[in-house]
Amino acid sequence: EVQLVESGGGLVQPGGSLRLSCAASGFTFSPYWMLWVRQAPGKGLVWVSRMNGDGSTISYADSVKGRFTISRDNAKNTLYLQMSSLRVDDTAAYYCGRESFYAMDVWGQGTTVTVSS
Amino acid sequence: QSALTQPPSVSGSPGQSVTISCTGSSSDVGSYNRVSWYQQPPGAAPKLMIYEVTNRPSGVPDRFSGSKSGNTASLTISGLQTEDEADYYCFSYVGSYTMVFGGGTKLTVL
Repeated sequence: EVQLVESGGGLVQPGGSLRLSCAASGFTFSPYWMLWVRQAPGKGLVWVSRMNGDGSTISYADSVKGRFTISRDNAKNTLYLQMSSLRVDDTAAYYCGRESFYAMDVWGQGTTVTVSS
Repeated sequence: QSALTQPPSVSGSPGQSVTISCTGSSSDVGSYNRVSWYQQPPGAAPKLMIYEVTNRPSGVPDRFSGSKSGNTASLTISGLQTEDEADYYCFSYVGSYTMVFGGGTKLTVL
Protein backbone atom coordinates (compact mmCIF):
# COMPACT_ATOMS: atom_id res chain seq x y z
CA GLU A 1 0.00 0.00 0.00
CA VAL A 2 1.31 3.43 -0.96
CA GLN A 3 1.56 5.45 2.23
CA LEU A 4 3.02 8.63 3.68
CA VAL A 5 3.22 9.11 7.44
CA GLU A 6 4.16 12.46 8.94
CA SER A 7 5.58 12.93 12.41
CA GLY A 8 7.34 15.54 14.50
CA GLY A 9 4.56 18.02 15.09
CA GLY A 10 3.90 19.56 18.47
CA LEU A 11 3.79 22.71 20.56
CA VAL A 12 6.65 25.16 20.18
CA GLN A 13 7.21 28.73 21.34
CA PRO A 14 7.49 31.62 18.88
CA GLY A 15 11.04 31.81 17.56
CA GLY A 16 11.59 28.12 18.14
CA SER A 17 12.40 25.27 15.78
CA LEU A 18 10.87 21.95 14.83
CA ARG A 19 11.67 19.21 12.31
CA LEU A 20 8.90 17.32 10.58
CA SER A 21 9.44 13.93 9.00
CA CYS A 22 7.46 12.09 6.33
CA ALA A 23 8.09 8.36 5.97
CA ALA A 24 7.20 6.90 2.59
CA SER A 25 6.35 3.28 1.89
CA GLY A 26 4.80 1.17 -0.85
CA PHE A 27 6.51 2.92 -3.76
CA THR A 28 9.97 3.77 -5.05
CA PHE A 29 10.64 7.05 -3.26
CA SER A 30 13.75 8.40 -4.96
CA PRO A 31 12.40 9.41 -8.41
CA TYR A 32 9.48 11.45 -7.11
CA TRP A 33 9.16 15.15 -6.46
CA MET A 34 7.79 15.58 -2.95
CA LEU A 35 5.92 18.50 -1.39
CA TRP A 36 4.84 20.02 1.89
CA VAL A 37 1.47 21.72 2.21
CA ARG A 38 -0.09 23.28 5.31
CA GLN A 39 -3.56 24.21 6.51
CA ALA A 40 -4.18 26.60 9.38
CA PRO A 41 -7.21 25.78 11.55
CA GLY A 42 -10.39 26.55 9.62
CA LYS A 43 -8.43 27.89 6.65
CA GLY A 44 -7.47 26.73 3.18
CA LEU A 45 -4.57 24.71 1.84
CA VAL A 46 -1.27 26.52 1.30
CA TRP A 47 1.69 25.16 -0.66
CA VAL A 48 4.91 25.36 1.39
CA SER A 49 7.78 23.69 -0.48
CA ARG A 50 8.75 21.08 -3.07
CA MET A 51 11.87 19.14 -3.95
CA ASN A 52 12.85 16.90 -6.81
CA GLY A 53 14.09 13.34 -6.48
CA ASP A 54 17.79 13.95 -6.04
CA GLY A 55 17.39 17.17 -4.06
CA SER A 56 18.93 19.36 -6.72
CA THR A 57 15.82 21.50 -7.29
CA ILE A 58 14.02 23.09 -4.36
CA SER A 59 11.43 25.83 -4.09
CA TYR A 60 9.61 27.57 -1.25
CA ALA A 61 6.60 29.75 -0.73
CA ASP A 62 7.59 33.34 0.02
CA SER A 63 6.03 33.07 3.48
CA VAL A 64 8.58 30.44 4.62
CA LYS A 65 11.62 31.25 2.50
CA GLY A 66 14.70 31.67 4.66
CA ARG A 67 13.05 30.00 7.66
CA PHE A 68 12.11 26.53 6.44
CA THR A 69 14.36 23.94 4.78
CA ILE A 70 13.13 20.92 2.88
CA SER A 71 15.38 17.88 2.55
CA ARG A 72 15.19 14.16 1.91
CA ASP A 73 17.06 10.95 2.62
CA ASN A 74 16.35 8.56 -0.22
CA ALA A 75 18.11 5.72 1.59
CA LYS A 76 15.59 6.08 4.41
CA ASN A 77 12.62 6.91 2.15
CA THR A 78 12.02 10.00 4.24
CA LEU A 79 11.22 13.65 3.53
CA TYR A 80 11.93 16.37 6.07
CA LEU A 81 10.91 19.93 6.79
CA GLN A 82 13.16 21.85 9.16
CA MET A 83 11.28 24.84 10.49
CA SER A 84 13.00 27.65 12.37
CA SER A 85 12.10 31.16 13.56
CA LEU A 86 8.57 29.86 13.94
CA ARG A 87 5.74 32.36 14.16
CA VAL A 88 2.22 32.11 15.52
CA ASP A 89 0.89 32.16 11.96
CA ASP A 90 2.86 28.99 11.15
CA THR A 91 0.33 27.11 13.31
CA ALA A 92 -1.23 24.53 11.00
CA ALA A 93 -1.62 20.92 10.03
CA TYR A 94 1.33 20.04 7.80
CA TYR A 95 0.84 17.48 5.04
CA CYS A 96 3.53 15.86 2.96
CA GLY A 97 2.68 14.63 -0.49
CA ARG A 98 3.98 12.75 -3.49
CA GLU A 99 3.90 14.73 -6.70
CA SER A 100 2.91 13.24 -10.02
CA PHE A 101 2.12 15.31 -13.12
CA TYR A 102 2.33 18.49 -11.01
CA ALA A 103 -0.38 17.17 -8.70
CA MET A 104 -0.31 15.73 -5.20
CA ASP A 105 -1.51 12.20 -5.81
CA VAL A 106 -0.67 10.75 -2.40
CA TRP A 107 -1.21 12.62 0.88
CA GLY A 108 -0.16 11.85 4.41
CA GLN A 109 -2.59 12.17 7.30
CA GLY A 110 -0.93 15.37 8.50
CA THR A 111 0.92 16.43 11.63
CA THR A 112 -0.10 19.43 13.71
CA VAL A 113 2.25 22.26 14.59
CA THR A 114 1.15 24.78 17.22
CA VAL A 115 3.24 27.90 17.76
CA SER A 116 2.24 29.57 20.99
CA SER A 117 3.76 31.03 24.13
CA GLN B 1 2.57 33.77 -5.13
CA SER B 2 -1.00 35.07 -4.84
CA ALA B 3 -3.68 32.47 -4.24
CA LEU B 4 -5.85 31.54 -7.18
CA THR B 5 -9.40 32.89 -6.94
CA GLN B 6 -12.26 30.50 -6.21
CA PRO B 7 -15.82 31.29 -5.15
CA PRO B 8 -16.16 30.79 -1.38
CA SER B 9 -19.22 28.61 -1.77
CA VAL B 10 -21.46 26.88 -4.29
CA SER B 11 -24.51 24.75 -3.82
CA GLY B 12 -26.76 22.40 -5.73
CA SER B 13 -29.45 19.80 -5.30
CA PRO B 14 -28.90 16.06 -5.70
CA GLY B 15 -28.76 15.16 -9.37
CA GLN B 16 -27.87 18.66 -10.50
CA SER B 17 -24.54 19.90 -11.84
CA VAL B 18 -22.28 22.52 -10.32
CA THR B 19 -19.14 24.19 -11.61
CA ILE B 20 -16.36 25.62 -9.47
CA SER B 21 -14.06 28.16 -11.08
CA CYS B 22 -10.40 28.83 -10.39
CA THR B 23 -9.05 32.07 -11.81
CA GLY B 24 -5.42 32.96 -12.11
CA SER B 25 -3.48 34.99 -14.62
CA SER B 26 -1.78 34.66 -17.98
CA SER B 27 1.46 33.81 -16.14
CA ASP B 28 0.10 30.85 -14.20
CA VAL B 29 -3.19 29.11 -15.05
CA GLY B 30 -3.14 30.64 -18.50
CA SER B 31 0.38 29.47 -19.25
CA TYR B 32 0.37 25.92 -17.98
CA ASN B 33 -1.95 22.92 -18.25
CA ARG B 34 -0.86 21.94 -14.75
CA VAL B 35 -4.02 22.54 -12.73
CA SER B 36 -5.26 19.91 -10.32
CA TRP B 37 -8.34 19.71 -8.10
CA TYR B 38 -8.78 18.26 -4.60
CA GLN B 39 -11.76 17.23 -2.51
CA GLN B 40 -11.49 17.62 1.26
CA PRO B 41 -14.34 16.36 3.44
CA PRO B 42 -14.48 17.80 6.98
CA GLY B 43 -11.69 16.49 9.18
CA ALA B 44 -10.03 14.49 6.38
CA ALA B 45 -6.96 14.84 4.23
CA PRO B 46 -7.51 16.12 0.69
CA LYS B 47 -7.95 13.71 -2.21
CA LEU B 48 -6.82 14.27 -5.80
CA MET B 49 -9.80 14.44 -8.19
CA ILE B 50 -8.36 15.95 -11.40
CA TYR B 51 -4.81 16.50 -12.66
CA GLU B 52 -3.38 18.34 -15.64
CA VAL B 53 -6.69 20.20 -16.10
CA THR B 54 -8.78 17.33 -17.45
CA ASN B 55 -7.40 13.98 -16.28
CA ARG B 56 -9.12 11.80 -13.67
CA PRO B 57 -7.07 9.45 -11.48
CA SER B 58 -8.18 5.86 -11.30
CA GLY B 59 -11.16 5.47 -9.01
CA VAL B 60 -12.54 8.99 -9.36
CA PRO B 61 -16.09 8.89 -10.74
CA ASP B 62 -16.59 10.27 -14.24
CA ARG B 63 -19.13 12.69 -12.74
CA PHE B 64 -16.07 14.83 -12.01
CA SER B 65 -14.59 16.67 -14.96
CA GLY B 66 -12.13 19.50 -15.48
CA SER B 67 -11.62 22.13 -18.13
CA LYS B 68 -9.80 25.38 -18.77
CA SER B 69 -10.47 28.52 -20.76
CA GLY B 70 -7.89 31.26 -20.77
CA ASN B 71 -6.85 32.07 -17.22
CA THR B 72 -9.70 30.15 -15.60
CA ALA B 73 -9.85 26.45 -14.81
CA SER B 74 -13.09 24.80 -13.82
CA LEU B 75 -14.25 21.67 -12.01
CA THR B 76 -17.71 20.39 -12.92
CA ILE B 77 -19.54 17.84 -10.82
CA SER B 78 -22.56 16.35 -12.52
CA GLY B 79 -25.25 14.20 -10.96
CA LEU B 80 -24.56 15.68 -7.53
CA GLN B 81 -24.64 13.27 -4.62
CA THR B 82 -24.80 14.04 -0.92
CA GLU B 83 -21.32 12.54 -0.41
CA ASP B 84 -19.90 15.20 -2.75
CA GLU B 85 -20.38 17.79 -0.01
CA ALA B 86 -16.86 18.94 0.85
CA ASP B 87 -14.32 21.70 0.31
CA TYR B 88 -12.70 21.80 -3.10
CA TYR B 89 -9.32 23.34 -3.96
CA CYS B 90 -7.55 24.02 -7.21
CA PHE B 91 -3.75 23.87 -7.38
CA SER B 92 -1.47 25.07 -10.15
CA TYR B 93 2.14 25.24 -11.17
CA VAL B 94 2.98 28.92 -11.51
CA GLY B 95 6.53 28.87 -12.81
CA SER B 96 10.00 28.99 -11.25
CA TYR B 97 9.28 25.60 -9.68
CA THR B 98 6.60 27.13 -7.44
CA MET B 99 2.96 26.24 -6.99
CA VAL B 100 -0.15 27.81 -5.48
CA PHE B 101 -3.58 26.74 -4.23
CA GLY B 102 -6.87 28.43 -4.72
CA GLY B 103 -8.65 29.76 -1.66
CA GLY B 104 -11.08 26.85 -1.60
CA THR B 105 -14.80 26.43 -2.28
CA LYS B 106 -17.34 24.90 0.06
CA LEU B 107 -19.84 22.75 -1.82
CA THR B 108 -23.19 22.29 -0.16
CA VAL B 109 -25.57 19.65 -1.48
CA LEU B 110 -29.03 20.88 -0.56
